[in-house]
Amino acid sequence: SAVISQKPSRDICQRGTSLTIQCQVDSQVTMMFWYRQQPGQSLTLIATANQGSEATYESGFVIDKFPISRPNLTFSTLTVSNMSPEDSSIYLCSVELEGWQYFGPGTRLTVT
Amino acid sequence: GEDVEQSLFLSVREGDSSVINCTYTDSSSTYLYWYKQEPGAGLQLLTYIFSNMDMKQDQRLTVLLNKKDKHLSLRIADTQTGDSAIYFCAESGHNQGGKLIFGQGTELSVKP
Repeated sequence: SAVISQKPSRDICQRGTSLTIQCQVDSQVTMMFWYRQQPGQSLTLIATANQGSEATYESGFVIDKFPISRPNLTFSTLTVSNMSPEDSSIYLCSVELEGWQYFGPGTRLTVT
Repeated sequence: GEDVEQSLFLSVREGDSSVINCTYTDSSSTYLYWYKQEPGAGLQLLTYIFSNMDMKQDQRLTVLLNKKDKHLSLRIADTQTGDSAIYFCAESGHNQGGKLIFGQGTELSVKP
């Protein structure tokens, strides 16, 4: 199994600012994913972050709004830029390990 | 595109069995997963099934897969109040690069 931690666990931010979320995993993994869970909704994939290549974004998500870094096989960051109240969500990172997908505890973001 | 559907709510009495249903559209699905999300918490991987299996049992959990009808179910035997949570069905397909498509989640309420 994989143990995943995220920082911060929650934050309240002002409109127009940016927040960087960190994801750390205890195993070396090739594929890491960032998901968004809006209030009362299911999870939607934002992007896939593979080490050594540019992140691949899903339809409706762009790099300028959600820049991602993947400097090594155990770490990734997601930045939520120029935030608006519509960005209030839980942001979760996940990894694929031996065919299973494990999720971090999530970062609960509230934008005021 | 691919779609995963679940009923939104299920209410059972403690000690009864719960059956949560899920349908999906992607015929190339290779893995199908069940995740549990308790209030304010991240996603916990409960169990998974490969698409070439019909059934998988793990203690109180039984997963049934009808590949012809693209129907997946999760049965929880002897449901306890601690099982109250939102249960997400998710699938990953052969050509999806590891990303998961999630259902809307079924909120299970267990009454004493």
